[in-house]
Amino acid sequence: GESVGLHLPTLSVQEGDNSIINCAYSNSASDYFIWYKQESGKGPQFIIDIRSNMDKRQGQRVTVLLNKTVKHLSLQIAATQPGDSAVYFCAENISSGSARQLTFGSGTQLTVLP
Amino acid sequence: NAGVTQTPKFQVLKTGQSMTLQCAQDMNHNSMYWYRQDPGMGLRLIYYSASEGTTDKGEVPNGYNVSRLNKREFSLRLESAAPSQTSVYFCASVRQGSKTQYFGPGTRLLVL
Repeated sequence: GESVGLHLPTLSVQEGDNSIINCAYSNSASDYFIWYKQESGKGPQFIIDIRSNMDKRQGQRVTVLLNKTVKHLSLQIAATQPGDSAVYFCAENISSGSARQLTFGSGTQLTVLP
Repeated sequence: NAGVTQTPKFQVLKTGQSMTLQCAQDMNHNSMYWYRQDPGMGLRLIYYSASEGTTDKGEVPNGYNVSRLNKREFSLRLESAAPSQTSVYFCASVRQGSKTQYFGPGTRLLVL
């Protein structure tokens, strides 16, 4: 799993299997969380978000689960495809300052095996 | 819409040289951000601009300056580049009322 400040972890899954990427966040006051996907040589791409008043949100083939009790966030990818190979970042919203700021985790490298 | 664009895509500098990284967005977003990304690490915020005419420091502002030229453009300047500034730089923007940041393709900077 992923945690802010730690070395980049890796996850390998077989094509067609489900993937679960984990993230531990630090700020109990965070009210908003985002998952980004970053392919090699590209900028981060928005996948899905969730507010702190929810514990689950579903998108197309992706589901985000939020457990505020243990400050844990996960991204589930159904029927993982080769195009899902990328680094996945979670980010938490910090509501200080004059604009919304995000604090990013270090990322998890997902590799999809044929 | 082109979204968020950044120039140049890649740059090599010598220590002590200066340069400006350009960022523009055509989505009429209010807030803009500059991040750096180093190997094995997440994105770290350098500076941000909540709206046209305002800028604020982020987590790692030392060695950088920014200009919010207008609503569309937010530039990042390195006055005297150092090898520690070798990194990939990303610009992002956010629509007013939203929290979702949209990123540009990045500028890869190598300081020798």
